[in-house]
Amino acid sequence: AQTVTQSQPEMSVQEAETVTLSCTYDTSESDYYLFWYKQPPSRQMILVIRQEAYKQQNATENRFSVNFQKAAKSFSLKISDSQLGDAAMYFCAFGSSNTGKLIFGQGTTLQVKP
Amino acid sequence: GAGVSQTPSNKVTEKGKYVELRCDPISGHTALYWYRQSLGQGPEFLIYFQGTGAADDSGLPNDRFFAVRPEGSVSTLKIQRTERGDSAVYLCASSLTGTGARTEAFFGQGTRLTVV
Repeated sequence: AQTVTQSQPEMSVQEAETVTLSCTYDTSESDYYLFWYKQPPSRQMILVIRQEAYKQQNATENRFSVNFQKAAKSFSLKISDSQLGDAAMYFCAFGSSNTGKLIFGQGTTLQVKP
Repeated sequence: GAGVSQTPSNKVTEKGKYVELRCDPISGHTALYWYRQSLGQGPEFLIYFQGTGAADDSGLPNDRFFAVRPEGSVSTLKIQRTERGDSAVYLCASSLTGTGARTEAFFGQGTRLTVV
């Protein structure tokens, strides 16, 4: 069975600074996908970035980038130039290539200080 | 519709009552997922539909929980004899196909169920 672990319940960053959120996972599959979702108080899960396990190149989306270490089963999210609107709960998730269901971590609450 | 719609947004019910939660997926999306998110936790998978059929219901916690998708579009999650432990946010997601996680899933805003 797959597991996803986020060891940082809360993180804080100063506006315009950079912050990294950690995530580790466990799986025996070789073909899978990893995701970071943002969940603001509105409750709607918003996809921030995704990584395909067979791609060695780390995914980037504007200010968001990941550090994907497949051998270590690590998938961290880096947010550059943090903005007040980045404040939210962030979830790391694992998705199998066989089934679309997602396995989520426990989440990290990100606070952005002005 | 423009996005995944879930109704009601909030639901308060008494212990022992029956509730139905509705999910309207994005038009044309064949795959639909239900998740349950307890306070301060990540979402947990409940059930996945491909078209009208439940392709994976391994996450349903017990036989009080049931979900249907009779016409391959709208889905209803049904909870019988509700318990206080059922209190959570129930999230629905849909994706264009069910071809694994390569297809992006879009989430609704969830239904917050409170059992008193």
